[in-house]
Amino acid sequence: GAGVSQTPSNKVTEKGKYVELRCDPISGHTALYWYRQSLGQGPEFLIYFQGTGAADDSGLPNDRFFAVRPEGSVSTLKIQRTERGDSAVYLCASSLETTTEAFFGQGTRLTVV
Amino acid sequence: SQQGEEDPQALSIQEGENATMNCSYKTSINNLQWYRQNSGRGLVHLILIRSNEREKHSGRLRVTLDTSKKSSSLLITASRAADTASYFCAQWSSWGKLQFGAGTQVVVTP
Repeated sequence: GAGVSQTPSNKVTEKGKYVELRCDPISGHTALYWYRQSLGQGPEFLIYFQGTGAADDSGLPNDRFFAVRPEGSVSTLKIQRTERGDSAVYLCASSLETTTEAFFGQGTRLTVV
Repeated sequence: SQQGEEDPQALSIQEGENATMNCSYKTSINNLQWYRQNSGRGLVHLILIRSNEREKHSGRLRVTLDTSKKSSSLLITASRAADTASYFCAQWSSWGKLQFGAGTQVVVTP
């Protein structure tokens, strides 16, 4: 595909459950970013990858959140023991390399009930 | 925490008028980008200005950057109803982290 793809587009889960959110970046993009956005707020940085490694994970709110990018392309954001406060839109972006134009997916709306 | 702050938080104008919004940031940057987000979720990249540039144009958009004041502005000329959206500035830090401000909500009425 031509753009960044995120699946699922919507996810409703019960409190305490585990969820995985997937991001397919643009082919060839080495940098991949995860953000979380609540209503009326700007995107909040979570983590970014350069290749397979997490270059900066300082935005992950706690140890329930984890992300991987094992082959340097697709990334998965994993949230354990979900809480209602985790409800938000999770955005993924990729760029050819860091400091170049970043392209965003349409996001996954996570609702924890 | 967010790197930048946009001002104003909200802006309401009529079609044909110009819209100006400002962005301030805290640390040194490699470049600064402006994005648009319509109601919905995707952010659309508008323009990138490098730290050694002072002004850049793209269609009806004009972006300025003042690194001494750590600020940038986005001007939309001859606004249209379709320009109604939230606008965000985002800064690349030298170590590769892209951080966003809280955004400016722009409403353009016909």
